[in-house]
Amino acid sequence: KAGVTQTPRYLIKTRGQQVTLSCSPISGHRSVSWYQQTPGQGLQFLFEYFSETQRNKGNFPGRFSGRQFSNSRSEMNVSTLELGDSALYLCASSLTSRSGYTFGSGTRLTVV
Amino acid sequence: DQQVKQNSPSLSVQEGRISILNCDYTNSMFDYFLWYKKYPAEGPTFLISISSIKDKNEDGRFTVFLNKSAKHLSLHIVPSQPGDSAVYFCAARMNRDDKIIFGKGTRLHILP
Repeated sequence: KAGVTQTPRYLIKTRGQQVTLSCSPISGHRSVSWYQQTPGQGLQFLFEYFSETQRNKGNFPGRFSGRQFSNSRSEMNVSTLELGDSALYLCASSLTSRSGYTFGSGTRLTVV
Repeated sequence: DQQVKQNSPSLSVQEGRISILNCDYTNSMFDYFLWYKKYPAEGPTFLISISSIKDKNEDGRFTVFLNKSAKHLSLHIVPSQPGDSAVYFCAARMNRDDKIIFGKGTRLHILP
């Protein structure tokens, strides 16, 4: 079965712009979580969606938002981009909120 | 506040020897612990997990040990192989909201 698909793989944006990242979970998986990976900071939790509802949220500013659609696909939006938002954004899906995660390959965002 | 700590950013081990990766946690509300492995340009992949009611779980060359009183877990890889060179993330799941918190990772180098 197809894995977790994240698009685009790479993105370059200018400070102040906004960006939308997409994640298609494994078919049948209803939980989607987003993480930010930066050098030295590991994987920092952004938020988790389950059946179109945000279940958990990490300690990120309101510029970071997300949503999940009825087909479980999820999008993450970052507005008013800052240089420090440059990172690898990873999406992970799971069957239920208590199942193990399967990660996508990530979207590498560079803000210039 | 880092609830899951991997205090060694990197580790070098001779091929064939044992690799021991360590992880400490601070929150007693974690009920499930996981290890993920990450190669460059790929998303993390699940390696092995352990429930808080156990103290050891073994899967082939990989064994995870949990010491609840010390709030410490470790991943043992025996024997270490070149393909084990990767970044290893320790993760813990919160039992009240299922949020998974990751450590910053340890880069393992297997030396020939």
